[in-house]
Amino acid sequence: ETGVTQSPTHLIKTRGQQVTLRCSSQSGHNTVSWYQQALGQGPQFIFQYYREEENGRGNFPPRFSGLQFPNYSSELNVNALELDDSALYLCASSSLQGASYGYTFGSGTRLTVV
Amino acid sequence: GQNIDQPTEMTATEGAIVQINCTYQTSGFNGLFWYQQHAGEAPTFLSYNVLDGLEEKGRFSSFLSRSKGYSYLLLKELQMKDSASYLCAVTSNAGKSTFGDGTTLTVKP
Repeated sequence: ETGVTQSPTHLIKTRGQQVTLRCSSQSGHNTVSWYQQALGQGPQFIFQYYREEENGRGNFPPRFSGLQFPNYSSELNVNALELDDSALYLCASSSLQGASYGYTFGSGTRLTVV
Repeated sequence: GQNIDQPTEMTATEGAIVQINCTYQTSGFNGLFWYQQHAGEAPTFLSYNVLDGLEEKGRFSSFLSRSKGYSYLLLKELQMKDSASYLCAVTSNAGKSTFGDGTTLTVKP
């Protein structure tokens, strides 16, 4: 059983640029959630995808967008990067049928905006 | 919306017992999770409570009182490797989890 894989692990971008982060979910999981974690804070919910449809969104502007593919992998896109977007971006896969098992997190992508 | 409070930092001695509290206010509740996060790593699942009471899993136990909006994580026989951040997360009816800011636990010899 494979875990959750995220790429890249680290990324440095310039303010105003666009970035795409990728996530492969755990085998058997059909739901992917994206979180932003600033240093010293808990993960903040960005959005969730279930069967290729957005299934809820947190308090993030529209320049944060996502996709989920038929194999349940997912992308997070951020346009017009701002300095405050610097954070650890976590992808978490889960199964709605197995909600009591919680999320399986990937190791995250550390994004630095300069 | 959901609001979750937990202490920022705690310190305990190796071999001791520590209790990390979490209080929450939520508009929809479908369970409470505890995760462990070591510095620079992803959170890992520790426990899940959906009914009132105590769930025990080895050295770790978690308690829930839904009427009080309260949970705690109890760590027994502390080891140095237990030094980490402990995240309380409340899950809504739609299956989305809201996290607290975490409690950084330092275990000293």
